Amino acid sequence: EIVLTQSPATLSLSPGERATLSCRASQSVTKYLAWYQQKPGQAPRLLIYDTSNRATGLPARFSGSGSGTDFTLTISSLETEDFAVYYCQQRSSWPITFGQGTRLEIK
Amino acid sequence: EVQLVESGGGLIQPGGSLRLSCAASGFSVSGDYMSWVRQAPGKGLEWVSVIHAGGSTFYADSVKGRFTISRDSSKNTVYLQMNSLRAEDTAMYYCARGPNSDSWGQGTLVSVSS
Repeated sequence: EIVLTQSPATLSLSPGERATLSCRASQSVTKYLAWYQQKPGQAPRLLIYDTSNRATGLPARFSGSGSGTDFTLTISSLETEDFAVYYCQQRSSWPITFGQGTRLEIK
Repeated sequence: EVQLVESGGGLIQPGGSLRLSCAASGFSVSGDYMSWVRQAPGKGLEWVSVIHAGGSTFYADSVKGRFTISRDSSKNTVYLQMNSLRAEDTAMYYCARGPNSDSWGQGTLVSVSS
């Protein structure tokens, strides 16, 4: 099973700042890495798939990068609605696995 | 518009069975890849099972042999039959569409407790 480790566990930033979230895989997932956002009481929402492809309607301030085992989700300038929990997920091999999540909170 | 609506959750005793349903609209479940993902209270996401368009199915080790995913094209619905339920199966269960899980339902809560 591929283990995904997200860092940091919690990120405290202010609106307008840049956020950088990391996801490291225990073995290569090639490009098959996705990012999801989840707000309290809501279902997860797809943000990025296959490393760097934005989901339909996603603002351009969100971007994904990386390859192999190291991936990054960047939010260029935080809006208040971006404060949430973020998960990475790999679908390179079975079983599909998620990272443990990064909580992005308002400083 | 794609929509997914889960149902069938509830309170069940350990060892019991439940069948979850995921009713889809705006696309055909038979032509797509459908997943179940769960989230225990206060915890992260855990992938549970998937059924491919061609009918192949896969399961997490934690549910293999106890859970079965299936679909009914005539009802455009995906199911998750859950048997031999354990306390650790307590979670919100979501269905999601596509290999990238680009659409999710609102979830249905399963509580396993005596």
